[in-house]
Amino acid sequence: EAGVAQSPRYKIIEKRQSVAFWCNPISGHATLYWYQQILGQGPKLLIQFQNNGVVDDSQLPKDRFSAERLKGVDSTLKIQPAKLEDSAVYLCASSLEGGGYTEAFFGQGTRLTVV
Amino acid sequence: QKEVEQNSGPLSVPEGAIASLNCTYSDRGSQSFFWYRQYSGKSPELIMSIYSNGDKEDGRFTAQLNKASQYVSLLIRDSQPSDSATYLCAVRHGQNFVFGPGTRLSVLP
Repeated sequence: EAGVAQSPRYKIIEKRQSVAFWCNPISGHATLYWYQQILGQGPKLLIQFQNNGVVDDSQLPKDRFSAERLKGVDSTLKIQPAKLEDSAVYLCASSLEGGGYTEAFFGQGTRLTVV
Repeated sequence: QKEVEQNSGPLSVPEGAIASLNCTYSDRGSQSFFWYRQYSGKSPELIMSIYSNGDKEDGRFTAQLNKASQYVSLLIRDSQPSDSATYLCAVRHGQNFVFGPGTRLSVLP
C-alpha cells in the first residue's frame, strides 16, 4: 500500500514570495491533515479536511495561508506572501476517518526555508 | 485549547536500560492515544496506539494509559542507540488530533 505522498521535499524562497505544497493521501483515507512543524516543536495542526470539506482550520493564518482538497483526494497548501517565520516543515497526514480510534500516517514532509 | 504536554528532554539512558517517556493531556474526554517516533530530519512514524486503561505491549515497547490521571506513558525496554529520536505523544478527541512537543531520547552506547 502506497503511503502519503508529498512534494516538493525541499523549497527555498524569498520572503514575500508565494509557494505551494502538494499532498496525495493513502488511498481510501477520507481525512487529510496539514501540520506545520517548527524546529524543536511538535506538529501544529493548520487545517483538517474530511473528504473535500474543512473540519478545522482554526489555526490556519488565513491572511496568507490557503488550502483546498478538490474532489476529496489530493490537497494543496499555499502560502502567499511568505514570511521568515513560515520556515518550517509542512507535514501532510491522512487517516481513514477523522474521529474515534483511527490512526494517522504522515508523508515525508516539505522543508520550507524563507530567506 | 486542548493541550498535550511532554518533557522536552533530552532524556539520556544507557544502552540496555528502560526508557520511560511521559505525556499528560488536558481534555478528559480524549478517546485514543498514540506514540510517534521522529528521527532527526524525518517525518513522524506511528509506533503504538492505546485506547483503554492499562498496558499494551508490542515487542520492546509498552504503552500505559491512565485516563483518571490523564496520563499516558511509553516504556522502551532494552534501549538501543537506534531508539535515539524524538517521541511525540498524540491525543485524539472527536475530530481533534493534537500533538505534544515531543521528548528527545538519547540512548548512549
